[in-house]
Amino acid sequence: DAGVIQSPRHEVTEMGQEVTLRCKPISGHDYLFWYRQTMMRGLELLIYFNNNVPIDDSGMPEDRFSAKMPNASFSTLKIQPSEPRDSAVYFCASRGRTDTQYFGPGTRLTVL
Amino acid sequence: GENVEQHPSTLSVQEGDSAVIKCTYSDSASNYFPWYKQELGKRPQLIIDIRSNVGEKKDQRIAVTLNKTAKHFSLHITETQPEDSAVYFCAPGLNFNKFYFGSGTKLNVKP
Repeated sequence: DAGVIQSPRHEVTEMGQEVTLRCKPISGHDYLFWYRQTMMRGLELLIYFNNNVPIDDSGMPEDRFSAKMPNASFSTLKIQPSEPRDSAVYFCASRGRTDTQYFGPGTRLTVL
Repeated sequence: GENVEQHPSTLSVQEGDSAVIKCTYSDSASNYFPWYKQELGKRPQLIIDIRSNVGEKKDQRIAVTLNKTAKHFSLHITETQPEDSAVYFCAPGLNFNKFYFGSGTKLNVKP
């Protein structure tokens, strides 16, 4: 199994630009999670989906952030417009019928 | 939301010694208690977990103990090795989905 796949692995952009992060969960997993990790705030759950439906988006920081899951094998996290304080590592994770969440390698986002 | 505190924030031990990290939480509804290990520049990886109906779980050199009444659980690593050096996070949660990560403990195992 390839594990959770995220792209890009690194993204550098300028303030005000739109950023799209992508995630492919482990095949057969029906839960998908988006996390953000910063030195100041640690690891935070932003949103999670079950069977492609958003269940809890209470961690999404503001309206500039949006997440979609059009099908069972693909999800996006979009930031529009991006700001320097959005700089972080964004992790996607997925879970199947067991209780374990498997994390992807992360996308390191730098907003200048 | 859940208030999670993890102690200590840094821990330095000699190879072969034991290490203990404690996590306290506030939400009595939490029913799942995992510990994650994150090496520098890598993803968090689950190392051990426990459910609320169990008091202790052991996997080779790693164990987790849970005191649900006092709302804390601990990670125990025995016979530490240099490759145990990493940041460890507790993440109490509800129904395996909504995790609240602690601030992390940086463990340094000196050879």
